[in-house]
Amino acid sequence: ETGVTQTPRHLVMGMTNKKSLKCEQHLGHNAMYWYKQSAKKPLELMFVYNFKEQTENNSVPSRFSPECPNSSHLFLHLHTLQPEDSALYLCASNQETSWWQDNEQFFGPGTRLTVL
Amino acid sequence: TQLLEQSPQFLSIQEGENLTVYCNSSSVFSSLQWYRQEPGEGPVLLVTVVTGGEVKKLKRLTFQFGDARKDSSLHITAAQPGDTGLYLCAGAGMDSSYKLIFGSGTRLLVRP
Repeated sequence: ETGVTQTPRHLVMGMTNKKSLKCEQHLGHNAMYWYKQSAKKPLELMFVYNFKEQTENNSVPSRFSPECPNSSHLFLHLHTLQPEDSALYLCASNQETSWWQDNEQFFGPGTRLTVL
Repeated sequence: TQLLEQSPQFLSIQEGENLTVYCNSSSVFSSLQWYRQEPGEGPVLLVTVVTGGEVKKLKRLTFQFGDARKDSSLHITAAQPGDTGLYLCAGAGMDSSYKLIFGSGTRLLVRP
């Protein structure tokens, strides 16, 4: 595997279910990000981890719980979601959260989540 | 709150035509990036512009950063069906540059 992978690619869940999204990066990066992409809305940054430490929680409801066991893996644990949480959830990674011109974020293909 | 407005939201053109997509804000950004996203995939970075007034070319794509670093444009010459996709601009703030502010995107369809 190369780049950033996400599983599952599609997920349908009921409001009472508990599920987890997984992201893995094979780029040797130290920063990982969760984004939410809803139809006709800009990408919303949800969480940021830098060297396994959470550095950003962008006022995300507690029904979303991130976990970063190491720099290569990022999880998003989901429980008691609402239909409005249906969206494409994208994971991204880069070298670290400091900015320089070539420190681009590489995105995974996303998990298409539908909450019934 | 920093916002980026993209226009148009949707564009359907014939192969061979030229087009321009705009990304505007009232805020100043330290840099601005353009991404293309295809169905079932994540966004892929096309270019980063950093200096006010900067122009970068990527084959048939020309990117410009406004002098005041508040706006940007993407111009495609002689569009091809392979250019079809969602084009996103994203700005890096002056204080926390890793936090990208994304526009809502321009969905481009190039008809053969």
